[in-house]
Amino acid sequence: DAGVIQSPRHEVTEMGQEVTLRCKPISGHNSLFWYRQTMMRGLELLIYFNNNVPIDDSGMPEDRFSAKMPNASFSTLKIQPSEPRDSAVYFCASSSESKGGETQYFGPGTRLLVL
Amino acid sequence: SQQGEEDPQALSIQEGENATMNCSYKTSINNLQWYRQNSGRGLVHLILIRSNEREKHSGRLRVTLDTSKKSSSLLITASRAADTASYFCATVLYGNNRLAFGKGNQVVVIP
Repeated sequence: DAGVIQSPRHEVTEMGQEVTLRCKPISGHNSLFWYRQTMMRGLELLIYFNNNVPIDDSGMPEDRFSAKMPNASFSTLKIQPSEPRDSAVYFCASSSESKGGETQYFGPGTRLLVL
Repeated sequence: SQQGEEDPQALSIQEGENATMNCSYKTSINNLQWYRQNSGRGLVHLILIRSNEREKHSGRLRVTLDTSKKSSSLLITASRAADTASYFCATVLYGNNRLAFGKGNQVVVIP
């Protein structure tokens, strides 16, 4: 299994630009999580999906952030417009209810820098 | 939301020594998990301990859970340079599969 795949691995953009982060969960996993990691705030859960349906988006910072999961094998996290304070590492993780559902498998992350 | 909080925050030890990290949390949990993060990488699941368990082993890892004190410890025995990483505890409440992470422990194992 290839594990959770995220793209791009690095993104540098200018303030005001739209940023789209992509995630492919492990095949067969039905839960998908988006996290943000910064030195100041640590690891924060932004949103999670179960069977492609958003279950909890209370961690999404504001309206500039949106996430979609159009099918079981793909999710996007979009920031529009981006701001320097959005600079962070964004992780996607997936888990499987049929295998207990509790262990999450993380992707390598997308390191975002907004100038 | 509740979070695990690790203590100490940073630990530097010699190869071969044992490393112990602690984690505390605030409310009743379903289970508690420990994850490792190597520099520049994603998190890797190490071990899960359920609320009705008191101790669990996996290779050189030993995890304890004291629900009366709402705390857990992770012991790495006979540490190796490759154990250098950040270690996070995360709690899961009943009824959902969200992970609430602590701030992490940086462990440096000196060869």
